[in-house]
Amino acid sequence: ILNVEQSPQSLHVQEGDSTNFTCSFPSSNFYALHWYRWETAKSPEALFVMTLNGDEKKKGRISATLNTKEGYSYLYIKGSQPEDSATYLCASPDRGSTLGRLYFGRGTQLTVWP
Amino acid sequence: DVKVTQSSRYLVKRTGEKVFLECVQDMDHENMFWYRQDPGLGLRLIYFSYDVKMKEKGDIPEGYSVSREKKERFSLILESASTNQTSMYLCASSLPQLYGYTFGSGTRLTVV
Repeated sequence: ILNVEQSPQSLHVQEGDSTNFTCSFPSSNFYALHWYRWETAKSPEALFVMTLNGDEKKKGRISATLNTKEGYSYLYIKGSQPEDSATYLCASPDRGSTLGRLYFGRGTQLTVWP
Repeated sequence: DVKVTQSSRYLVKRTGEKVFLECVQDMDHENMFWYRQDPGLGLRLIYFSYDVKMKEKGDIPEGYSVSREKKERFSLILESASTNQTSMYLCASSLPQLYGYTFGSGTRLTVV
């Protein structure tokens, strides 16, 4: 079992604020780190897959960084909008398994107030 | 557009009923997964399958079984539904290893 943790559990921000949250994972045997966004009444949607230490990915106002040596990833949202309200999940596979199972954190629930 | 389709969005069943949750994917993915999501607990894996007729228990398989007779379809079965199985159930599929999941839109099951 891979222990993937996310903080904070929930976050409330005003429209226009920038925000960030953290995903931590075991640094030994790292293989990949996935970020998903899950909006209410929709399917979780893949945001990023990151594999290399120092990797930085960007999609619009959302970006993510990866530090595999210390075992964490940050997700940043610049100028939050109400439509960014969602639960953000991170997940990592077990390098020792060939089956591709992901271990998920409990998520950060973001609410952006207009 | 690739898809994972879950048969029902909302379902209400009685305690003791046998419940089938169906999931179909059109991407020819080898792996399929069933998770449940409960507030504060995140996504917990019930069962997964990496090939037709193959299955592996996840972290919380008790009270559930699965069936994968065809590559595109993965069914979750609640043998005798109980109120503590009231939850959001998510199906996902993937290629092996590095590739991420494609999720269905979930089934919110209420057992009364």
